[in-house]
This record gives sequence, C-alpha cells and structure tokens, in this order.
Amino acid sequence: GAGVSQSPSNKVTEKGKDVELRCDPISGHTALYWYRQSLGQGLEFLIYFQGNSAPDKSGLPSDRFSAERTGGSVSTLTIQRTQQEDSAVYLCASSLGFGPLAKNIQYFGAGTRLSVL
Amino acid sequence: AQKITQTQPGMFVQEKEAVTLDCTYDTSDQSYGLFWYKQPSSGEMIFLIYQGSYDEQNATEGRYSLNFQKARKSTNLVISASQLGDSAMYFCAMRVRGSSASKIIFGSGTRLSIRP
Repeated sequence: GAGVSQSPSNKVTEKGKDVELRCDPISGHTALYWYRQSLGQGLEFLIYFQGNSAPDKSGLPSDRFSAERTGGSVSTLTIQRTQQEDSAVYLCASSLGFGPLAKNIQYFGAGTRLSVL
Repeated sequence: AQKITQTQPGMFVQEKEAVTLDCTYDTSDQSYGLFWYKQPSSGEMIFLIYQGSYDEQNATEGRYSLNFQKARKSTNLVISASQLGDSAMYFCAMRVRGSSASKIIFGSGTRLSIRP
C-alpha cells in the first residue's frame, strides 16, 4: 500500500483479555518498528524487526507482550492478559532498512488506540 | 546513554510569525541522525526533516529548517511564516550508531499552538 496501515484503529477490551494489533508496512520496507505512546507522552520504543527477525526487543515492557513478523511484511503485536496500564496508542513504523541513515526515515501508521477497561 | 531533551512543553505563536522549537541531544557516537516529526491531533506521525551528524549544511525543507549546532549538541527546528495548520505536537528524535535501521529515540515533545 501507499503508507503504513494499522488495524484496528481503535480497540476496547476488558482487563485480562488478549489483544492483537496488526501492522502492514510500506511495500519494500524491510525494517518495522513498534512504539507505544501514552496520553500526552512521547514515544516509547517496543521492538524492531529487520526482515522477520527481531534484533532488538529491549523495549517490550513485560513477557505479556510479544510480536512477530511473517514473510517480511505484516507484523502482529500481541498483548496477553491486558492490564489497564496497557491503555495507549500503539504506533507502527517502517523504513527501508538498509543504506545510509538519510534513507532510513521511519514512516508511521495512524496507530491503534487501545483502551483496557 | 543516548537522550533527547525538549525543554518546551508548550508554545503559543501568532500566525505568520517564525517559531523555533528547541532540541538538545546527548550521545557519545560520532555518527547519528536527527529527525523532527509532527503529530497533529489526528495522531499520525509525519516526518518533517532530517539532519545527519556529518552534514555540513543545515537541513531545509520548505518552511522547515534546522539550526544544527553540533558542538552544542542542539538541533532546533525553525518554522517560518507559521500557519494555523502548524498547530500540533512536535517531536525531536535521534538515531545512533549501529544498523542503519536501528531504533530512534524520541524527545517528550513540544505542543505548538498557532493563534490567528
């Protein structure tokens, strides 16, 4: 597609339920990133994929969070046993993934707003 | 440790005036990239402008320009002739060494409000 696509745009769930958030990157982008943004805050890095592998998972806040990427394209972020503090906007970005820094601008999707009741 | 600092949580500017948003960074690496993003109320993050640590010229993109002072580790964003549509959150970010596809670190943002 033309840009990074995320679904759903909004998700309301009950505490304790599992949720899956989806990201479809820009075609041809090999790098994919997940960030979390709490209300009025900056972006918190979660995980980064190069192809299907995740060289940097350092930002995942707990073992309830996991992510996978298949076929070097679509990625799914899964949050198990959701807690109220998981409520945030989850943003996905993609970039070319190679070449000089100037060419590796990260382009963002519109995000998924997760509300845990 | 790498860090991005934006000391202006909010700014109000009159339409058509120029505005400067401050950003300082901390890294011991020699090779890094600096970015500015705009986030309107709709939530999407829009890339504005990029400056590489070895770039000798200040980056410009239309009404956006950077005042890059490497020795002071600052990269302030200048928006000329501000417009009502410039009202948004602005984030400064940095990518440090390693893979060219490595993560970027964001500042806490500055909320810019343009007055008509």
